Amino acid sequence: ETGVTQTPRHLVMGMTNKKSLKCEQHLGHNAMYWYKQSAKKPLELMFVYNFKEQTENNSVPSRFSPECPNSSHLFLHLHTLQPEDSALYLCASSQDASADTQYFGPGTRLTVL
Amino acid sequence: LAKTTQPISMDSYEGQEVNITCSHNNIATNDYITWYQQFPSQGPRFIIQGYKTKVTNEVASLFIPADRKSSTLSLPRVSLSDTAVYYCLVGRTDKLIFGTGTRLQVFP
Repeated sequence: ETGVTQTPRHLVMGMTNKKSLKCEQHLGHNAMYWYKQSAKKPLELMFVYNFKEQTENNSVPSRFSPECPNSSHLFLHLHTLQPEDSALYLCASSQDASADTQYFGPGTRLTVL
Repeated sequence: LAKTTQPISMDSYEGQEVNITCSHNNIATNDYITWYQQFPSQGPRFIIQGYKTKVTNEVASLFIPADRKSSTLSLPRVSLSDTAVYYCLVGRTDKLIFGTGTRLQVFP
């Protein structure tokens, strides 16, 4: 247990659905991250939030929409996804965006039909 | 951005010591070196971190030479449960580049 929780753990959705992934950290950190890990590929950084402000968007398609209402919560809103978006979505947090260590949640396994 | 290079895979047997070396030739002066472990369908887990020389904790040791252009993760007496992917990362958390890591397979 790293202090970072993610819900749901598994999600199956159709291409026309709208769903949201939730991440919560109980570590008092100020930076939160979304990563995507496709099968047999390295983790790809998607978004970075530092003190609730988005500081990085690594050319992520607009069908992925992040939201960070406070330093403890991070959401990833999904709409009109494609089958190739099926992956493990990981949330992480760190003291701030220039920290040395991240703590990861267990991930959400997303399947897009 | 400091990129790292590690072997794609390694095999070992239970009870052996495993050393995984990572190269990071363009490491910056302020960068720390961090190693993570990842099991299938789980998030990476922090193992150990260091800046220079040697660091040891209850799980592993990390050896860093004086030039800091490489580092070696040492896992003493591995068990089957150490089968995982190990990532070497350098730099601040908002600029990390995860490579493919080293897939360690431990056999009975």
